[in-house]
Parts: sequence; structure tokens; C-alpha cells
Amino acid sequence: RKEVEQDPGPFNVPEGATVAFNCTYSNSASQSFFWYRQDCRKEPKLLMSVYSSGNEDGRFTAQLNRASQYISLLIRDSKLSDSATYLCVVNTHTGGFKTIFGAGTRLFVKA
Amino acid sequence: NAGVTQTPKFRVLKTGQSMTLLCAQDMNHEYMYWYRQDPGMGLRLIHYSVGEGTTAKGEVPDGYNVSRLKKQNFLLGLESAAPSQTSVYFCASSYGGPNTEAFFGQGTRLTVV
Repeated sequence: RKEVEQDPGPFNVPEGATVAFNCTYSNSASQSFFWYRQDCRKEPKLLMSVYSSGNEDGRFTAQLNRASQYISLLIRDSKLSDSATYLCVVNTHTGGFKTIFGAGTRLFVKA
Repeated sequence: NAGVTQTPKFRVLKTGQSMTLLCAQDMNHEYMYWYRQDPGMGLRLIHYSVGEGTTAKGEVPDGYNVSRLKKQNFLLGLESAAPSQTSVYFCASSYGGPNTEAFFGQGTRLTVV
């Protein structure tokens, strides 16, 4: 089992749709979590951190479920410009840090 | 505001050749990282540095060496390139370690033939 797993997709959704991605992690000691966005052939860029109580940034909502060991990203009112690959990142700090990137979920938003 | 700059952007090497990838950041970040990204896999950490003069191994360090002689620069060396090192390499930096936002360079596409 991979330490961090994401559904690779692709998710094909129409503009205006709501779409959600999950990311599961195997290490219960993981301590911090992020979502990054990566456009085709570009570098990853931070989309948002994921806080224990959940957090929202405009149309984007991130949630953490420690009991089931997954994080989620919800995108409301999808825009064409949301088309990208979404990477989850899980950090574990046990005698040194370990950062694991998920392989990403591809999203295509269609007009 | 340049952020993180990587050179070169593209390179083709023959098996056994050596090369150095340069990463420069102008944000005064302490932490710097080198990752590789392969199809179907997440970014994997090669080496990282927690400050000038320090380096440490990441998840996939074999075949690579690094140096951080100046705070703003982090160099990744391939002493004897192998086809398995064909990948996209990303450098990143962060102010306070992995719990803080990482800023990435635009990547280097390396092909080893």
C-alpha cells in the first residue's frame, strides 16, 4: 500500500459543477497536510493548507479526517481555469521529517 | 520577484556523463529541496538542506550529490548519469521547513539516453 494515495482520475466535470477529491494516508502519526495545484508541465503551487477543523478559501474547502486517515478537497462552482492536477502532501515528523506527495488527481473542467 | 530559479530548463545527457543543476532562491529561505517527478508517481525527495552548509538525504538520494555553499543556492549533481535518472527535477524552498509553504522552481526536464 502506498503511503499516500489519490485517485488519478481524470475527473471530467462541466463548468459550475461541484467536485471532490480524497487523499488517503497510511501513517497515523502524520501531522500536517496540504493541497497543491500543478498545471500541465508547470511547477506545483500551494493551493491551501488543511487544518484539523477544516478550512475554506473561496470556492475551495479542505477537510481532514484523522480517524479514517484521509484529507479531502471540495471545489464548488468549477471554472475552466480549475483544470489542473491536484496533489496532496502529507508530512510526518518522527525523528526527522518525511514529506510524501500523492501522485495527483487530474481535473478537466469543460465548457 | 524571481522566487526560485532553476537552470537549465532542459538537458539531454548520454549515459555516464555528469552535470549539475543549479537552483537559486531570492526569498532568504532556510530550507531547500530537490525533488524528482516521474509519471504516475508523486514528487520524491532526493536531498534537502536546512541551512547554508548543511545537506541531508531524502527518499531517493542514490546517484545524486548536493551542495549548499551559499544560502541562496542549492546544487544537484549527477556524477554518472543513467537512463533511470530521466525525469523532471524540481527545486523548492521554504521559510520554516515542511510545515510551511514550499515554493517551486519551474523544473528541469532531463533525458538520459
